[in-house]
Amino acid sequence: EDQVTQSPEALRLQEGESSSLNCSYTVSGLRGLFWYRQDPGKGPEFLFTLYSAGEEKEKERLKATLTKKESFLHITAPKPEDSATYLCAVQARGSQGNLIFGKGTKLSVKP
Amino acid sequence: SAVISQKPSRDICQRGTSLTIQCQVDSQVTMMFWYRQQPGQSLTLIATANQGSEATYESGFVIDKFPISRPNLTFSTLTVSNMSPEDSSIYLCSVEVLDSPWTQYFGPGTRLLVL
Repeated sequence: EDQVTQSPEALRLQEGESSSLNCSYTVSGLRGLFWYRQDPGKGPEFLFTLYSAGEEKEKERLKATLTKKESFLHITAPKPEDSATYLCAVQARGSQGNLIFGKGTKLSVKP
Repeated sequence: SAVISQKPSRDICQRGTSLTIQCQVDSQVTMMFWYRQQPGQSLTLIATANQGSEATYESGFVIDKFPISRPNLTFSTLTVSNMSPEDSSIYLCSVEVLDSPWTQYFGPGTRLLVL
């Protein structure tokens, strides 16, 4: 069964304190792994797509990496505006488009 | 990417009634999907909205409870029928666009509370 587990559930950081969020996955043939950011009361905002092990993508203070079993979202020198819930999802090869989501990591960055 | 709007943004409904949610996209898209996000839970796919034909439902979701229409390439509706408090959730529309294969962009969601 395709499955995504994110850890930790919640993470509190001081402004400037770098850290990483983890996404472990089990999927029958990976088409893509996706990271989203979700602010309270809003829909998920797309961040990255990763397609194969070893791939890395960066956007401002965020860097996503992918291995055959997990993905990491590294946050470098975070700011309070990075506070949000970060969602990880996978899509299996051969699916019509079903994204299997984890429960997310709620990140709080204090000034 | 695409600009996606949903109506209504939120609603409070009585049990036994039905609510239709609209999803409008500003450009033609290849695929449209409907997800549910229950409190404290991850997003779950309800169905794929197919243009001009019946939607494709995921296990655990049925057409009688969640009828879906997609009359053209930029618009879809999801109806939540005969609602109960367990249907209280956020309902989200997502789309795939031609220039970003497999990547889904989400609308702002419809927050539904059933009393």
